[in-house]
Amino acid sequence: NAGVTQTPKFQVLKTGQSMTLQCAQDMNHNSMYWYRQDPGMGLRLIYYSASEGTTDKGEVPNGYNVSRLNKREFSLRLESAAPSQTSVYFCASSEAFEGGLDTQYFGPGTRLTVL
Amino acid sequence: RKEVEQDPGPFNVPEGATVAFNCTYSNSASQSFFWYRQDCRKEPKLLMSVYSSGNEDGRFTAQLNRASQYISLLIRDSKLSDSATYLCVVNFDNDYKLSFGAGTTVTVRA
Repeated sequence: NAGVTQTPKFQVLKTGQSMTLQCAQDMNHNSMYWYRQDPGMGLRLIYYSASEGTTDKGEVPNGYNVSRLNKREFSLRLESAAPSQTSVYFCASSEAFEGGLDTQYFGPGTRLTVL
Repeated sequence: RKEVEQDPGPFNVPEGATVAFNCTYSNSASQSFFWYRQDCRKEPKLLMSVYSSGNEDGRFTAQLNRASQYISLLIRDSKLSDSATYLCVVNFDNDYKLSFGAGTTVTVRA
């Protein structure tokens, strides 16, 4: 039982390059999330998918796109990377229930540097 | 104004000490509250949920004050392994999203 896995762990891009961050979970959760974490800012939600077949913008969606490929997989794409997108990216999954959210489980993160 | 605010610290305490810190939230319709722990360069992990009546988990005690819109975390008998950043997390109004504070750093010294 791997939980939430992310690839790659590290990536260096040049400005304008594109890349896709992959995320998969094996806990049969309906909801999946992409966050970025910057020093002093806390985790900020980029996009989320409440259930398979739906995606919604979070707090900071500009410059990103997502795909909920199936129940297990949720990818994040940077079409034209910018230095402002240098950050640590975390994928998470959880189960939602009437009245709220259950525990969110996080992947190990992707450390992205854009030069 | 941030939705969830925390004192960044750091709180530097000796082993065996008690340390406590708060987190304030802006939305009175908030429904669910959590403390997550994040070790350096690692992913956040759930430490404990926070219930209206307050709850304990070993050396950790969490309290919720809805009237003043804050939650607290108290760590008794601090261990070196408690050194981490503690994230305050709030689920607003039964949304599918969580809002995270920037974290409070605790360093326990020998």
